[in-house]
Amino acid sequence: QKEVEQDPGPLSVPEGAIVSLNCTYSNSAFQYFMWYRQYSRKGPELLMYTYSSGNKEDGRFTAQVDKSSKYISLFIRDSQPSDSATYLCAMSGIGGGSQGNLIFGKGTKLSVKP
Amino acid sequence: DARVTQTPRHKVTEMGQEVTMRCQPILGHNTVFWYRQTMMQGLELLAYFRNRAPLDDSGMPKDRFSAEMPDATLATLKIQPSEPRDSAVYFCASGMGPTSRDTQYFGPGTRLTVL
Repeated sequence: QKEVEQDPGPLSVPEGAIVSLNCTYSNSAFQYFMWYRQYSRKGPELLMYTYSSGNKEDGRFTAQVDKSSKYISLFIRDSQPSDSATYLCAMSGIGGGSQGNLIFGKGTKLSVKP
Repeated sequence: DARVTQTPRHKVTEMGQEVTMRCQPILGHNTVFWYRQTMMQGLELLAYFRNRAPLDDSGMPKDRFSAEMPDATLATLKIQPSEPRDSAVYFCASGMGPTSRDTQYFGPGTRLTVL
């Protein structure tokens, strides 16, 4: 079992829909949880960053962490065609060295149709 | 507009050839990361440097890969000899924090094809 599992999709939704993207993980030491967005032929860019459990909201984006279930989610409200990209979850433990290294999911490809 | 630059953007080579990829981190960033992205494995951390010193290269195949930072404005990743399984997109990223969980900025990547 890989440390981080993410459904690769593709996921296709109409403009304006609410999108839910998810990752599960197996390492209970993970404390930092992130979502990166990657447009085609570009490098990933950090979208959301949360520590431990709870919710974090930024505009149309909400990140949720449920450590008891080892499950994280990213919600996109009022999705736009410009949100079409691959979304990668990433997580790491506390501390330096290899424990601080990010482990990425393989990414979910999202397409928002006008 | 500060950004990480990588050269070349695309590289096609034959098995057994040496490949060198270059990265210019954002000015003032003192941590530089090398990643590899494939469909099968996703995005994997190969190595990273802090203040030009290698901190972790545990993700890098040691027999054929090497990474260096000759100065603060240049990081290199070398594969010698290259193999078809090395075909991937290689990303460089830079940041101010000491670990990859700290905010990092990715370059556009080098798309490598080994025939």
